[in-house]
Amino acid sequence: GAGVSQSPSNKVTEKGKDVELRCDPISGHTALYWYRQRLGQGLEFLIYFQGNSAPDKSGLPSDRFSAERTGESVSTLTIQRTQQEDSAVYLCASSLKAGGPTDTQYFGPGTRLTVL
Amino acid sequence: AQTVTQSQPEMSVQEAETVTLSCTYDTSESDYYLFWYKQPPSRQMILVIRQEAYKQQNATENRFSVNFQKAAKSFSLKISDSQLGDAAMYFCAYRGNFGNEKLTFGTGTRLTIIP
Repeated sequence: GAGVSQSPSNKVTEKGKDVELRCDPISGHTALYWYRQRLGQGLEFLIYFQGNSAPDKSGLPSDRFSAERTGESVSTLTIQRTQQEDSAVYLCASSLKAGGPTDTQYFGPGTRLTVL
Repeated sequence: AQTVTQSQPEMSVQEAETVTLSCTYDTSESDYYLFWYKQPPSRQMILVIRQEAYKQQNATENRFSVNFQKAAKSFSLKISDSQLGDAAMYFCAYRGNFGNEKLTFGTGTRLTIIP
């Protein structure tokens, strides 16, 4: 079956612009996660959704970052007034259900964001 | 908060040989899950293996196996019969149970396979 997909694959933007990153989870997966990976580093958690509610937003680095999810499908991560330190790969993952033994997260290919 | 430590930034191994990647973690939880993910240059994170903390038996997936030492909070990955396609960054990750669903990652180990 189809895996997690993300778009765009790459995004170059100018400092101060807003960007939207999209994630399509695996069909039937109710949980969706966003992570950020800065160059040469591990992944940092940003936010996760169970259905369309977001029980944990603790990783969002500032109020310029927001995310939403429609039902149990597509999610959009929005970064407003981008800064150069926002440059990173943004990875999305999905799982059958958050928490417990079925919560194995499968990742998409990521969106590489470059802020000039 | 949980932490995950990978003390080997880089490792190399001859093709067909065996290599072990180290991972330690710190947690006060008793019920949790541990994972190894592989990230090749394509940047796609690929699940290699997972271990439930309540299971004493070490997980295995074909050439990949783990040595899970719960008391020592250690979770190493052994790759047998290394192949060129195993070259990648390997990340160890921790996930708690309900209420702590996010993955906490180590900083990664870059594995090079020498032909």
